[in-house]
Amino acid sequence: GAGVSQSPRYKVAKRGQDVALRCDPISGHVSLFWYQQALGQGPEFLTYFQNEAQLDKSGLPSDRFFAERPEGSVSTLKIQRTQQEDSAVYLCASSLASLGNTQYFGPGTRLTVL
Amino acid sequence: GDSVTQMEGPVTLSEEACLTINCTYTATGYPSLFWYVQYPGEGLQLLLKATKADDKGSNKGFEATYRKETTSFHLEKGSVQVSDSAVYFCALSDRWYGFGNEKLTFGTGTRLTIIP
Repeated sequence: GAGVSQSPRYKVAKRGQDVALRCDPISGHVSLFWYQQALGQGPEFLTYFQNEAQLDKSGLPSDRFFAERPEGSVSTLKIQRTQQEDSAVYLCASSLASLGNTQYFGPGTRLTVL
Repeated sequence: GDSVTQMEGPVTLSEEACLTINCTYTATGYPSLFWYVQYPGEGLQLLLKATKADDKGSNKGFEATYRKETTSFHLEKGSVQVSDSAVYFCALSDRWYGFGNEKLTFGTGTRLTIIP
């Protein structure tokens, strides 16, 4: 079956622009996670959804970052007024349920802010 | 807070050599431990996992044992192949959180290159 998909795969933005990154999880997966991966580093947690409920957003680095999953399936990560330090790969992962199940990762969106 | 310290790379080995990538962790609860692998041009994939002390995870010839006494989860393989060239990430999920949010905390990754 289809895995986790993300779009766009690459995004170049000028500093100050708003961007929206999309994640399509595996069908039926209840849990959805967003991570940020800076160059040469491991992914870092941003936020977590269980169905449409955002249960943890403790990793969002500033109030410029906003995520939603209105119907409990597709999720969008929005970054307002992008800054150069936002340049990173943004990873989405989904799992069947939050407890004890494997997270399946998408290919990521590479965001470059000029 | 939770953290994972991983052996720094890059690591270059000849084919059929033995591999060990060290990983130690700090956690406040009862973590599950994972190794993820990222092959060139592909997304992160789960390689193996262990959910409690003394458990051994294994897959594709790789093994790692959950050692609570040394807070370690070292990745080992007896004979590596060129196809094992990838970036390897050690990670933990801490089940301290009551609602079961199993967010992953990752190490910085180790780039492994196997030469024929």
